[in-house]
Amino acid sequence: KQEVTQIPAALSVPEGENLVLNCSFTDSAIYNLQWFRQDPGKGLTSLLLIQSSQREQTSGRLNASLDKSSGRSTLYIAASQPGDSATYLCAVSTRSGNTGKLIFGQGTTLQVKP
Amino acid sequence: DAGVIQSPRHEVTEMGQEVTLRCKPISGHDYLFWYRQTMMRGLELLIYFNNNVPIDDSGMPEDRFSAKMPNASFSTLKIQPSEPRDSAVYFCASSQFGSSGNTIYFGEGSWLTVV
Repeated sequence: KQEVTQIPAALSVPEGENLVLNCSFTDSAIYNLQWFRQDPGKGLTSLLLIQSSQREQTSGRLNASLDKSSGRSTLYIAASQPGDSATYLCAVSTRSGNTGKLIFGQGTTLQVKP
Repeated sequence: DAGVIQSPRHEVTEMGQEVTLRCKPISGHDYLFWYRQTMMRGLELLIYFNNNVPIDDSGMPEDRFSAKMPNASFSTLKIQPSEPRDSAVYFCASSQFGSSGNTIYFGEGSWLTVV
Protein backbone atom coordinates (compact mmCIF):
# COMPACT_ATOMS: atom_id res chain seq x y z
CA LYS A 1 0.00 0.00 0.00
CA GLN A 2 1.38 3.38 -1.00
CA GLU A 3 2.19 5.71 1.88
CA VAL A 4 3.33 9.30 1.61
CA THR A 5 5.28 10.99 4.41
CA GLN A 6 6.24 14.63 4.78
CA ILE A 7 8.96 15.92 7.03
CA PRO A 8 8.98 18.22 8.91
CA ALA A 9 5.38 18.59 10.02
CA ALA A 10 5.97 22.26 10.75
CA LEU A 11 8.64 24.78 9.90
CA SER A 12 9.23 28.39 10.91
CA VAL A 13 11.80 30.52 9.11
CA PRO A 14 12.67 34.21 8.85
CA GLU A 15 11.77 36.02 5.68
CA GLY A 16 14.33 35.71 2.89
CA GLU A 17 15.55 32.22 3.74
CA ASN A 18 15.73 29.46 1.16
CA LEU A 19 14.05 26.31 2.39
CA VAL A 20 13.40 22.70 1.45
CA LEU A 21 10.33 20.61 2.18
CA ASN A 22 10.62 16.86 1.97
CA CYS A 23 8.25 14.17 0.74
CA SER A 24 8.82 10.43 0.60
CA PHE A 25 6.68 7.61 -0.78
CA THR A 26 6.94 3.88 -0.24
CA ASP A 27 6.10 2.55 -3.71
CA SER A 28 8.16 3.91 -6.61
CA ALA A 29 5.52 2.85 -9.17
CA ILE A 30 3.97 6.28 -9.43
CA TYR A 31 2.60 8.07 -12.45
CA ASN A 32 3.25 11.57 -11.20
CA LEU A 33 3.77 13.62 -8.06
CA GLN A 34 2.18 16.95 -7.25
CA TRP A 35 2.82 19.64 -4.70
CA PHE A 36 -0.14 21.61 -3.40
CA ARG A 37 -0.59 24.64 -1.22
CA GLN A 38 -3.44 24.97 1.28
CA ASP A 39 -4.25 28.21 3.05
CA PRO A 40 -6.28 28.10 6.29
CA GLY A 41 -9.96 27.54 5.59
CA LYS A 42 -9.36 27.13 1.89
CA GLY A 43 -9.07 24.40 -0.69
CA LEU A 44 -5.90 23.13 -2.28
CA THR A 45 -4.06 24.86 -5.08
CA SER A 46 -1.80 22.80 -7.31
CA LEU A 47 1.70 24.28 -7.48
CA LEU A 48 3.80 21.86 -9.48
CA LEU A 49 3.26 18.52 -11.17
CA ILE A 50 6.17 16.23 -11.99
CA GLN A 51 5.59 13.32 -14.33
CA SER A 52 7.36 10.09 -13.40
CA SER A 53 9.74 10.52 -16.34
CA GLN A 54 10.79 13.99 -15.21
CA ARG A 55 13.37 14.98 -12.63
CA GLU A 56 12.17 18.46 -11.74
CA GLN A 57 9.74 21.26 -12.41
CA THR A 58 10.10 24.97 -11.74
CA SER A 59 7.61 27.76 -11.29
CA GLY A 60 8.91 31.13 -10.19
CA ARG A 61 10.61 30.75 -6.82
CA LEU A 62 9.50 27.14 -6.52
CA ASN A 63 11.44 24.12 -7.68
CA ALA A 64 10.31 20.55 -7.18
CA SER A 65 12.52 17.55 -7.75
CA LEU A 66 11.67 13.88 -8.03
CA ASP A 67 13.84 10.82 -7.45
CA LYS A 68 11.48 7.98 -8.16
CA SER A 69 13.96 5.22 -7.47
CA SER A 70 14.58 6.41 -3.94
CA GLY A 71 10.97 7.44 -3.37
CA ARG A 72 11.72 11.06 -2.61
CA SER A 73 10.68 14.52 -3.70
CA THR A 74 11.70 17.94 -2.47
CA LEU A 75 10.08 21.33 -2.83
CA TYR A 76 12.59 24.16 -2.77
CA ILE A 77 11.33 27.66 -2.02
CA ALA A 78 13.78 30.45 -2.74
CA ALA A 79 13.81 33.76 -0.90
CA SER A 80 10.81 32.95 1.25
CA GLN A 81 8.17 35.61 1.92
CA PRO A 82 5.45 35.94 4.59
CA GLY A 83 2.91 35.27 1.83
CA ASP A 84 4.40 31.79 1.45
CA SER A 85 3.00 30.86 4.87
CA ALA A 86 0.63 27.95 4.30
CA THR A 87 0.48 24.16 4.47
CA TYR A 88 2.24 22.37 1.65
CA LEU A 89 1.11 18.89 0.67
CA CYS A 90 2.61 16.42 -1.70
CA ALA A 91 0.56 13.73 -3.39
CA VAL A 92 1.28 10.85 -5.73
CA SER A 93 -0.84 9.40 -8.49
CA THR A 94 -0.57 5.76 -9.42
CA ARG A 95 -2.94 5.85 -12.39
CA SER A 96 -1.98 7.05 -15.83
CA GLY A 97 -3.98 9.90 -17.34
CA ASN A 98 -6.05 10.52 -14.25
CA THR A 99 -4.18 13.06 -12.20
CA GLY A 100 -6.84 13.33 -9.53
CA LYS A 101 -6.75 9.94 -7.83
CA LEU A 102 -4.14 10.99 -5.34
CA ILE A 103 -2.55 9.75 -2.14
CA PHE A 104 -1.58 12.66 0.06
CA GLY A 105 1.02 13.23 2.71
CA GLN A 106 0.04 14.92 5.96
CA GLY A 107 1.60 18.20 4.91
CA THR A 108 4.21 20.63 6.19
CA THR A 109 2.91 23.82 7.77
CA LEU A 110 5.23 26.67 6.92
CA GLN A 111 5.42 29.98 8.73
CA VAL A 112 7.60 32.71 7.27
CA LYS A 113 8.21 35.49 9.79
CA PRO A 114 8.69 39.06 8.59
CA ASP B 1 -14.99 29.93 -14.93
CA ALA B 2 -15.74 30.36 -11.22
CA GLY B 3 -13.89 27.21 -10.26
CA VAL B 4 -15.28 24.26 -8.36
CA ILE B 5 -18.24 25.40 -6.29
CA GLN B 6 -19.30 23.63 -3.13
CA SER B 7 -22.23 24.16 -0.83
CA PRO B 8 -22.84 24.54 1.99
CA ARG B 9 -19.53 25.99 3.15
CA HIS B 10 -20.33 25.24 6.77
CA GLU B 11 -22.88 22.91 8.30
CA VAL B 12 -23.59 21.95 11.87
CA THR B 13 -26.04 19.12 12.33
CA GLU B 14 -27.19 16.75 15.01
CA MET B 15 -26.22 13.12 15.10
CA GLY B 16 -28.66 11.01 13.13
CA GLN B 17 -29.62 13.71 10.69
CA GLU B 18 -29.12 13.45 6.95
CA VAL B 19 -26.44 15.65 5.41
CA THR B 20 -26.20 16.50 1.72
CA LEU B 21 -23.14 18.20 0.30
CA ARG B 22 -23.21 19.64 -3.20
CA CYS B 23 -20.62 20.27 -5.86
CA LYS B 24 -20.51 21.98 -9.23
CA PRO B 25 -17.35 21.04 -11.14
CA ILE B 26 -15.55 23.19 -13.67
CA SER B 27 -17.33 23.12 -17.00
CA GLY B 28 -15.75 20.67 -19.42
CA HIS B 29 -14.00 18.60 -16.78
CA ASP B 30 -14.72 14.90 -17.07
CA TYR B 31 -13.46 13.73 -13.67
CA LEU B 32 -14.98 14.60 -10.32
CA PHE B 33 -13.55 13.63 -6.93
CA TRP B 34 -14.78 13.74 -3.37
CA TYR B 35 -12.08 13.96 -0.69
CA ARG B 36 -12.34 14.15 3.07
CA GLN B 37 -9.81 15.90 5.31
CA THR B 38 -9.38 15.30 9.03
CA MET B 39 -6.57 16.06 11.43
CA MET B 40 -6.06 12.38 12.18
CA ARG B 41 -6.20 10.90 8.70
CA GLY B 42 -5.33 13.83 6.44
CA LEU B 43 -6.81 13.92 2.95
CA GLU B 44 -8.49 10.76 1.74
CA LEU B 45 -10.21 10.02 -1.54
CA LEU B 46 -13.78 8.87 -1.00
CA ILE B 47 -15.04 8.35 -4.54
CA TYR B 48 -14.48 9.59 -8.04
CA PHE B 49 -16.54 9.79 -11.21
CA ASN B 50 -15.59 9.79 -14.86
CA ASN B 51 -18.17 11.18 -17.28
CA ASN B 52 -20.78 11.02 -14.48
CA VAL B 53 -20.14 7.31 -13.81
CA PRO B 54 -18.74 6.21 -10.43
CA ILE B 55 -15.39 4.54 -11.06
CA ASP B 56 -13.92 3.88 -7.64
CA ASP B 57 -15.82 4.12 -4.38
CA SER B 58 -13.40 2.06 -2.33
CA GLY B 59 -12.72 5.03 -0.07
CA MET B 60 -16.33 5.46 1.00
CA PRO B 61 -16.17 4.57 4.69
CA GLU B 62 -19.56 2.96 5.19
CA ASP B 63 -22.96 2.39 3.66
CA ARG B 64 -24.07 5.56 5.38
CA PHE B 65 -22.19 7.44 2.67
CA SER B 66 -23.46 7.71 -0.88
CA ALA B 67 -22.57 9.89 -3.84
CA LYS B 68 -24.31 10.66 -7.09
CA MET B 69 -23.56 12.58 -10.22
CA PRO B 70 -26.81 12.95 -12.17
CA ASN B 71 -25.23 15.18 -14.81
CA ALA B 72 -21.91 16.72 -15.79
CA SER B 73 -22.45 19.85 -13.75
CA PHE B 74 -23.66 18.52 -10.41
CA SER B 75 -22.73 15.98 -7.78
CA THR B 76 -23.89 15.23 -4.24
CA LEU B 77 -22.37 13.44 -1.29
CA LYS B 78 -24.92 12.27 1.22
CA ILE B 79 -24.43 10.98 4.76
CA GLN B 80 -27.41 9.26 6.36
CA PRO B 81 -27.48 8.98 9.31
CA SER B 82 -24.64 11.29 10.29
CA GLU B 83 -22.35 10.56 13.26
CA PRO B 84 -19.91 12.77 15.19
CA ARG B 85 -16.95 10.95 13.63
CA ASP B 86 -18.09 12.22 10.23
CA SER B 87 -17.04 15.72 11.25
CA ALA B 88 -14.46 16.80 8.68
CA VAL B 89 -13.88 19.04 5.71
CA TYR B 90 -15.24 17.53 2.51
CA PHE B 91 -13.61 18.67 -0.70
CA CYS B 92 -14.85 18.29 -4.20
CA ALA B 93 -12.34 18.49 -7.06
CA SER B 94 -12.47 18.19 -10.82
CA SER B 95 -10.01 17.55 -13.60
CA GLN B 96 -9.78 16.93 -17.30
CA PHE B 97 -8.37 13.68 -18.70
CA GLY B 98 -5.12 13.85 -20.58
CA SER B 99 -4.33 17.51 -20.08
CA SER B 100 -0.85 18.28 -18.89
CA GLY B 101 0.23 20.51 -16.07
CA ASN B 102 -1.79 21.34 -12.99
CA THR B 103 -5.10 19.89 -13.99
CA ILE B 104 -6.90 19.19 -10.73
CA TYR B 105 -8.89 21.96 -9.12
CA PHE B 106 -10.30 21.83 -5.62
CA GLY B 107 -13.29 23.63 -4.22
CA GLU B 108 -13.03 25.48 -0.93
CA GLY B 109 -14.61 22.64 0.98
CA SER B 110 -17.68 21.97 3.07
CA TRP B 111 -16.92 22.13 6.80
CA LEU B 112 -19.17 19.60 8.52
CA THR B 113 -19.67 19.36 12.27
CA VAL B 114 -21.91 16.63 13.65
CA VAL B 115 -22.84 17.12 17.31
